Amino acid sequence: AQRVTQPEKLLSVFKGAPVELKCNYSYSGSPELFWYVQYSRQRLQLLLRHISRESIKGFTADLNKGETSFHLKKPFAQEEDSAMYYCALSSHTDKLIFGTGTRLQVFP
Amino acid sequence: EAGVVQSPRYKIIEKKQPVAFWCNPISGHNTLYWYRQNLGQGPELLIRYENEEAVDDSQLPKDRFSAERLKGVDSTLKIQPAELGDSAVYLCASSPWLAGVLYEQYFGPGTRLTVT
Repeated sequence: AQRVTQPEKLLSVFKGAPVELKCNYSYSGSPELFWYVQYSRQRLQLLLRHISRESIKGFTADLNKGETSFHLKKPFAQEEDSAMYYCALSSHTDKLIFGTGTRLQVFP
Repeated sequence: EAGVVQSPRYKIIEKKQPVAFWCNPISGHNTLYWYRQNLGQGPELLIRYENEEAVDDSQLPKDRFSAERLKGVDSTLKIQPAELGDSAVYLCASSPWLAGVLYEQYFGPGTRLTVT
């Protein structure tokens, strides 16, 4: 079964600290992985996808097929990074399967 | 560009009443999705349209939920009758579509439904 697991509901850090939001997936084929973000009072939006290998707003995520993980990382958190982050998997049928989300709080 | 438009933004109804949600996707996006997001959960796909055709409705509770996308543009999602467990945020998303290409999905602001 296809599944995305985000083990942390809440992650709190101070500004300037490193951040790692964990995401593990279960899928038998070659999935596409995404991170979506929802800032306060804004709509859900794409942050990054693994095939683009980009760094967006200082965030990076590497697909580790051996560990079936796609953790989101940022070396120095900023207050404006505070948001809800969702990891999602697609099986190439346009269907996105989301995790339960992790709320990131960055304190000044 | 207004993005994906949804209405209403909030709806409170009593159980057993009907309710409908409307979505206008981004112009030119031929794929439209309806998701349901329960409190503390991620969005879950209810139905996906390619133009006016529902290509994936496997997660839609068909006994009480129905959806349509006339003319392949706007879409309406209906619940009749509503149950307490239907309280959730209903999200609409759209994307372009080309066979074999997975495009970014653009989400609307959602409709928060409360069933009392």
